[in-house]
Amino acid sequence: VHLVESGGGMVQPGRSLRLSCAASGFTFDAYAMHWVRQSPGTGLQWVSGISWDSGTMVYADSVKGRFTISRDNAKNSLYLQVNSLRVEDTALYYCAKSSLATVTTLDWFDSWGQGILVTVSS
Amino acid sequence: QSVLTQPPSVSGAPGQRVTISCTGSSSNIGSIYSVHWYQQLPGTAPKLLISGNSNRPSGIPDRFSASKSGTSASLAITGLQAEDEADYYCQSYDSSLSGLYVFGTGTKVTVL
Repeated sequence: VHLVESGGGMVQPGRSLRLSCAASGFTFDAYAMHWVRQSPGTGLQWVSGISWDSGTMVYADSVKGRFTISRDNAKNSLYLQVNSLRVEDTALYYCAKSSLATVTTLDWFDSWGQGILVTVSS
Repeated sequence: QSVLTQPPSVSGAPGQRVTISCTGSSSNIGSIYSVHWYQQLPGTAPKLLISGNSNRPSGIPDRFSASKSGTSASLAITGLQAEDEADYYCQSYDSSLSGLYVFGTGTKVTVL
């Protein structure tokens, strides 16, 4: 399993970015996928998840209405559109593979990318 | 923000046994939801260590074991090795909070 994130950078508050995750080494369209972030020097925070067929998308309350998760199974890619960025969104964003096809209460993250840094600062 | 509480740090000499606790509540660990554990070596991404309360994925040494009881879970590392020095996080699902999947506060394991 290989997950490679891209699209991060430094932006001003209120601006937008589109994060991407290129997946390989497994049957991408058989698994749900997630985004998890880690602020500098702190712990992990789950951000969003999407089922194998894009039928279910879930978000943490802290990003609901500002972030949109999507996937393109034909391109083996996962995306996170991040709008109205805030200083507190500054973090390393990880793409993570689910152990299951759907987003459920049982879910865990069995493979992770190396992360992409998003810095929000004026 | 984390609803699962872990001790900030634990330490032990090589060969010793250390345990890391993860304390939650009735809306997460104390309910039907499983606990999973991750290891994060310095400067790297997290890695799945234990899934479904006590199951080790292929390739994870049997020095790592975990259990769940009531509203808490614990990870044990026996025969501590220098390469075990890392941050460890528990994770579960929470039925009441704004973040559906919740992580612990993290524990730094130091090998003396």
